[in-house]
Amino acid sequence: SQTIHQWPATLVQPVGSPLSLECTVEGTSNPNLYWYRQAAGRGLQLLFYSVGIGQISSEVPQNLSASRPQDRQFILSSKKLLLSDSGFYLCAWSLGTGTQPQHFGDGTRLSIL
Amino acid sequence: GENVEQHPSTLSVQEGDSAVIKCTYSDSASNYFPWYKQELGKRPQLIIDIRSNVGEKKDQRIAVTLNKTAKHFSLHITETQPEDSAVYFCAPGANQAGTALIFGKGTTLSVSS
Repeated sequence: SQTIHQWPATLVQPVGSPLSLECTVEGTSNPNLYWYRQAAGRGLQLLFYSVGIGQISSEVPQNLSASRPQDRQFILSSKKLLLSDSGFYLCAWSLGTGTQPQHFGDGTRLSIL
Repeated sequence: GENVEQHPSTLSVQEGDSAVIKCTYSDSASNYFPWYKQELGKRPQLIIDIRSNVGEKKDQRIAVTLNKTAKHFSLHITETQPEDSAVYFCAPGANQAGTALIFGKGTTLSVSS
């Protein structure tokens, strides 16, 4: 069966510091991968999605970037965090296009001080 | 692009009552209609989905109905229980390469005993 791992679970970072969140999927190959951000009490904002190695689509221009160095690895990064980057970051995977369910990781709760 | 709206944004019911959440969408190409449940501090999880060749699907106390002509689908929960308290998201999707599900802003359901 497929599993998705996301770490760390919680992270506290100072403003201006760098960020690296990692997500890996097991038990499937060539999944679609997604990064979402959820502000407290709000909906899911799609940040990036990837349909293959090195292929990244950005939905919202911001100081975040994503990379997919391996088939089942998706990384969210920032060179300098802003206060507004605080939130709950969720990685997800799916098979194929927008007619397949997305399966979410447990999320990373990021607090910027 | 797809415009997704959920109503109501909050819903409070007594235990044992029924709850209905409606999702409207704009993209006539949408043909996949899932509902996700997110408990406080946890990841969203798929609870039921329906495809455009079916009008209704039921799984124990939950059901989803689809009206493709009017471009809306609804989540029905019968005999609500306190553990049904959560945020519910609809996320219609279309069979187009490289697309992601578009999540609504969520409906907070509170079931009081």
